[in-house]
Amino acid sequence: EAGVVQSPRYKIIEKKQPVAFWCNPISGHNTLYWYRQNLGQGPELLIRYENEEAVDDSQLPKDRFSAERLKGVDSTLKIQPAELGDSAVYLCASSFYGNNEKLFFGSGTQLSVL
Amino acid sequence: GQSLEQPSEVTAVEGAIVQINCTYQTSGFYGLSWYQQHDGGAPTFLSYNALDGLEETGRFSSFLSRSDSYGYLLLQELQMKDSASYFCAVRDTSRGSTLGRLYFGRGTQLTVWP
Repeated sequence: EAGVVQSPRYKIIEKKQPVAFWCNPISGHNTLYWYRQNLGQGPELLIRYENEEAVDDSQLPKDRFSAERLKGVDSTLKIQPAELGDSAVYLCASSFYGNNEKLFFGSGTQLSVL
Repeated sequence: GQSLEQPSEVTAVEGAIVQINCTYQTSGFYGLSWYQQHDGGAPTFLSYNALDGLEETGRFSSFLSRSDSYGYLLLQELQMKDSASYFCAVRDTSRGSTLGRLYFGRGTQLTVWP
């Protein structure tokens, strides 16, 4: 069984540039999460989807961040424009609705904003 | 609101036993989860406790006391490969849909020496 796939693995951009991250969850998992993890910290939720509906996006900085999950499968997280403080690892995770305590994480995208 | 407290670092030698504690405060409570994350890797689910008591999975065990808002992860017969960060996580049932939001602690860095 393929795991959660994220790309790119690394991204270096200058501040004020746009950036996008892509996630393909495990097949059959209807819940998808985007987390941000700063160095030495635990993951913090940005947005959670149940199928194609964003059910928890209160921690997503909507002035610069946007996300979509078309057809309830793949998802894209975008930052425009990026700021220095956005440097972090962006993790995507998925879970099956019947077992939402067990999240499967991708390896993340490490973003560096210069 | 919610908060999770766990030690920032723990060190031990191969073959030893180590316990990583986690205390939490949250609005509503489903259970306590534990995740392992190696440097540069994806967080990986280890265990979940919804009821008081000890759950054992191979060399790892997890304990929960709901009345004390406390849990721990016990790692036995430590191996070098157990060197990683360990995160406790709780779900806040007051947020989002019926699933609530999963909050992670700051993580405990375990170093296993030969």
